[in-house]
Amino acid sequence: GENVEQHPSTLSVQEGDSAVIKCTYSDSASNYFPWYKQELGKRPQLIIDIRSNVGEKKDQRIAVTLNKTAKHFSLHITETQPEDSAVYFCAPDTGGFKTIFGAGTRLFVKA
Amino acid sequence: DTEVTQTPKHLVMGMTNKKSLKCEQHMGHRAMYWYKQKAKKPPELMFVYSYEKLSINESVPSRFSPECPNSSLLNLHLHALQPEDSALYLCASSQEDPYNEQFFGPGTRLTVL
Repeated sequence: GENVEQHPSTLSVQEGDSAVIKCTYSDSASNYFPWYKQELGKRPQLIIDIRSNVGEKKDQRIAVTLNKTAKHFSLHITETQPEDSAVYFCAPDTGGFKTIFGAGTRLFVKA
Repeated sequence: DTEVTQTPKHLVMGMTNKKSLKCEQHMGHRAMYWYKQKAKKPPELMFVYSYEKLSINESVPSRFSPECPNSSLLNLHLHALQPEDSALYLCASSQEDPYNEQFFGPGTRLTVL
């Protein structure tokens, strides 16, 4: 089955700095690579995703890069703001509905 | 309507009780999911329904019994639970073709005494 690893587990940055979270997966059949954000006491929500035919995708301050050969994809947040503080999960998808989430990265943005 | 709703928000039950969690979506999604999330852990997949048929059961104990009465509704029937079953139970839905975003409900916070 899919093995998903996410690093770092905790990340603390100063407001305005950049943050990078990496997700490594094992199943080469994975073709969909989403990142979910979960604020304290709230539901997980998709913030950005990428499909395997694309290497990078950007949406304002958030970007995702994919390296299918090395089997990893990364979330990049620039100009971090206090409201970016949350837990971020990757969930690489092989297309069979069997979703495995990474362990999560707790991001703290200090004002 | 682009939301997934869940009821109740909170549930406290004894180990001998029978209760049900409910989930509803009106986005026309034909895949629906139940997840269990313990504190400071990722959501853990329990069940998946596709076109109202159970497609995935992640070896969940039989004290959890899912049901999909129609394409908009998903239930999780609970019976004889253990204190370690206390967690946040999240429902999600997605389009039925692969590689699509999952939309999560707000969850039911379950406490088993």
